[in-house]
Amino acid sequence: QVQLVQSGAEVKKPGASVKVSCKASGYTFTNYLMHWVRQAPGQGLEWMGLVNPSGGSTTYAQKFQARVTMTRDTSTSTVYMDLTNLRSEDTAVYYCTRALGIWGQGTLVTVSS
Amino acid sequence: QSVLTQAPSASGTPGQRVTISCSGSSSNIGSNSVSWFQQLQGSAPKLLIYSNTQRPSGVPERFSASKSATSASLAISGLQSEDEADYYCGVWDDSQQGWVFGGGTKLTVL
Repeated sequence: QVQLVQSGAEVKKPGASVKVSCKASGYTFTNYLMHWVRQAPGQGLEWMGLVNPSGGSTTYAQKFQARVTMTRDTSTSTVYMDLTNLRSEDTAVYYCTRALGIWGQGTLVTVSS
Repeated sequence: QSVLTQAPSASGTPGQRVTISCSGSSSNIGSNSVSWFQQLQGSAPKLLIYSNTQRPSGVPERFSASKSATSASLAISGLQSEDEADYYCGVWDDSQQGWVFGGGTKLTVL
């Protein structure tokens, strides 16, 4: 069955970086765009960007343009989301989602000094 | 503030029909297809509706949606207790060149 399995929770200090992984299985990895969406505690959904596993091209939300990098490894069917210069407002659950139809379980990133 | 506007809450009793609205603009709902997502407490979002009105396999027929101009709505008929969740609309925005979501509507089944 189609599945997205994300890496575990992270605790980071302000100014640090975090890299979240999302391993896909059960389908042809390169056939679907992979999006990243985050959700701060008690808040709504916020789209961060997407990566095309076929070729690696990316589109980022303007808000994250300077701090986010999304990459993919076709040999392991894994996508990565790297967010730099973390601040407390980046504390959130980060989701990878295949074309917004299939969602990973989420990764909690906590930014705290 | 979210680009798409949703009422923060809605409620209904079991068996009732409820409607959740989503208001946008010409750069998003007015020119692209709307999706709806259901998020149960403590869970990841789930795609409920895509392409304005289409239900993925496994989504009950009780869930339906429509779109008109720059607004969209999700209807749930025969309301059940397990429908208690947060509901989000989402759509591509041509001006922002990215997906935008509504702020979410918390549905309570009384």
